Amino acid sequence: QVQLVQSGAEVKKPGASVKVSCKASGYSFTTYAIQWVRQAPGQSLEWLGWIDAGNGNTRYSQNFQGRLTITTDTSATTAYMDLSSLRSEDTAIYFCARKIPFDSWGQGTLVTVSS
Amino acid sequence: DIQMTQSPSTLSASVGDRVTITCRASQSISSWLAWYQQKPGKAPQLLIFKASSLESGVPSRFSGSGSGTEFTLTISSLQPDDFASYYCQQYYSYSPWMFGQGTRVEIK
Repeated sequence: QVQLVQSGAEVKKPGASVKVSCKASGYSFTTYAIQWVRQAPGQSLEWLGWIDAGNGNTRYSQNFQGRLTITTDTSATTAYMDLSSLRSEDTAIYFCARKIPFDSWGQGTLVTVSS
Repeated sequence: DIQMTQSPSTLSASVGDRVTITCRASQSISSWLAWYQQKPGKAPQLLIFKASSLESGVPSRFSGSGSGTEFTLTISSLQPDDFASYYCQQYYSYSPWMFGQGTRVEIK
C-alpha cells in the first residue's frame, strides 16, 4: 500500500534552516507529484509547494519564495523540504502528501522554532 | 489567489444527525474541489474529490455536491467516528491550493 514516512521532530533556533524528508513506498515514485503542507497550532492547512517527482519541476507558494526548496532523490524514493531563515511563526506540523488532490499523507513532522 | 470560506466554523451535532458543511470560493473553480477529514494528532484524509466523487474506502454516508463557487459536504447520518475537523480545498489551475479555515464537528 502507499506509504509516506517522514523524518522526526526538529527544534531549531530563529534564523536556522530545517530539512524534512518524506520516504515514499508502495507505488512508482516518479509517477506523481509530492506536495508539502503545514499546519500551525490550532490553525488550518497551508500549502507550501510541490515537486513533480518525474521531472523535478517545482512550484512554490509566493509566501515562501526564496526560503523554500523542495527536492527529490528518485533512487531513494524520497522527497525533501528545506525551509530557511526560520522564525517563530514557522512553528508547525509539516506534512508531505501525494498527488493533487492529496490522496496519501505522511504522518507529519513537528518543527519548533524557538530561541 | 482564490480564497475559500467554510461555514460554520464549529458544528454541534448528535449521532444520527444529518450534517451539512458549506464551502464558498472567491471565484469559479468549476468542480476542482476536495474535502478532507482530520482527527486530532493525525494527518488529513481525502474524502471527496472533484466536488462529488467519493474516494475509495470512504463510507457512502459522505457525499459532496456543487460547482462554480458553492459546495457542500453532507454526512447523511453522523457516526461516532465522524467527530473531527473537515477542510475544503480548491485545486483549480495553478493558483495556490488554498484550504478553507476548517469546520470542527463536535458532539452535542
